[in-house]
Amino acid sequence: ETGVTQTPRHLVMGMTNKKSLKCEQHLGHNAMYWYKQSAKKPLELMFVYNFKEQTENNSVPSRFSPECPNSSHLFLHLHTLQPEDSALYLCASSSYAAGAGELFFGEGSRLTVL
Amino acid sequence: GENVEQHPSTLSVQEGDSAVIKCTYSDSASNYFPWYKQELGKGPQLIIDIRSNVGEKKDQRIAVTLNKTAKHFSLHITETQPEDSAVYFCAANGNKLVFGAGTILRVKS
Repeated sequence: ETGVTQTPRHLVMGMTNKKSLKCEQHLGHNAMYWYKQSAKKPLELMFVYNFKEQTENNSVPSRFSPECPNSSHLFLHLHTLQPEDSALYLCASSSYAAGAGELFFGEGSRLTVL
Repeated sequence: GENVEQHPSTLSVQEGDSAVIKCTYSDSASNYFPWYKQELGKGPQLIIDIRSNVGEKKDQRIAVTLNKTAKHFSLHITETQPEDSAVYFCAANGNKLVFGAGTILRVKS
C-alpha cells in the first residue's frame, strides 16, 4: 500500500473542461512534487512545494495550476488543456525538497484530453 | 543544467541471466544517483542509490557502479527473475533531480 495516494486514477476530459487531480501523502514529508510522464520520455518535473511554499515551477503552462494547502495535500487544477497534455501525472513526496533523498511516488492519474 | 542519457531503451534477457543498464550525466557537480523501478500501473519506486563518495553499492541481486571521471553509472541485476520485468529509470542530482528516459526490461522465462 502506497503512502502517497492519488485520485482519480483515470480522467478523461474535453479541452474546455475544468478538473482537478488530488494527491495526499501519509508519510509526514515536507516536500511534494508533480511530475508528468509521457511515453518514452524522461519524467518531467512540473512543480515543487516545500513546507507548502512553491519552490519550483518548471516553465509549466498556466493551464496547469497547482495548489498546496498543507504539507500533506497537493492539487493540480486543469483547465483548457490540449490533447498533448494527455499523460500520466505522478505525485511524489520526500522529507525535504532539493535534497539527495528518496522520492515516494503515487500510482499516478492517467489523463486523456479529447 | 543536468542531462541524463540512459541505454538501452529496451532490454530482453533470459531468466537467470544478468542485465546491465547504463547512464551518463553531464553535470560534474551531481553527487547523488538513484535508480527507480516502475511496474505496470504503479509509480516508480527507489530500488538502490549511490552517492559520489562511493564507487559501488550492492543490495542482494542488484548493484550500482559509479565512475565519476567518466560521468557514468550503471545498474546491474544478476540472476534475473520474471518479477524484475519493469521500467527502470536512472537519475542524477546536481541542483535538481533529472531522470533518464527509462529502460524497459523484459525477463523471459
